[in-house]
Amino acid sequence: DVVMTQTPVSLPVSLGGQASISCRSSQSLVHSNGNTYLHWYLQKPGQSPQLLIYRVSNRFSGVPDRFSGSGSGTDFTLKISRVEPEDLGDYYCLQSTHFPYTFGAGTKLELK
Amino acid sequence: EVQLVESGGGLVQPGRSLKLSCAASGFTFSNYGMHWIRQAPTKGLEWVASISPSGGSTYYRDSVKGRFTISRDNAKSTLYLQMDSLRSEDTATYYCATAEGAYWGQGVMVTVSS
Repeated sequence: DVVMTQTPVSLPVSLGGQASISCRSSQSLVHSNGNTYLHWYLQKPGQSPQLLIYRVSNRFSGVPDRFSGSGSGTDFTLKISRVEPEDLGDYYCLQSTHFPYTFGAGTKLELK
Repeated sequence: EVQLVESGGGLVQPGRSLKLSCAASGFTFSNYGMHWIRQAPTKGLEWVASISPSGGSTYYRDSVKGRFTISRDNAKSTLYLQMDSLRSEDTATYYCATAEGAYWGQGVMVTVSS
């Protein structure tokens, strides 16, 4: 199985500040079709996860441009600039290139 | 507006069965692969199973293979998860989600306990 190593576990931030979350995979996430199926989700307390970024760097509909994704191969990053209160919660990366799909363990974004 | 509404959860004894449903609306259900993803209390997300748009291909995590069956009825725009031989470690909130996790349901709780 592909292991997704997500860091940090906890990320204290100030409102208006920046945050960066890393996800590293144990093998390349480049699919045989050339696409890289690495996605980022935010789960706010008591809610279902919501898609932020799909296939490494594509913002989902309605997601503010404060969120950006980058990376390739086995190394991926989610950046949040100008953190707002509604950005707080648990962030997860997911690889859906290889079965079984696997999630990172999560990063809790919280106020400093 | 895309909507996914799960139902069928509850408290069940170990070894018993439960069938979850996910009613979809707001999109052409038959065009999309679908997934079940679960989250044990206070834990992270765990992929459970996926099904192709036609239903002809299915995929499972090893721990549920042979016990869970994912299926779909495209005429009814509904996704299912038949869960047999349930274990305490299957206790979780179960979410259905569309391809690439673009849309998720509100989740349904399954508790396996005697």
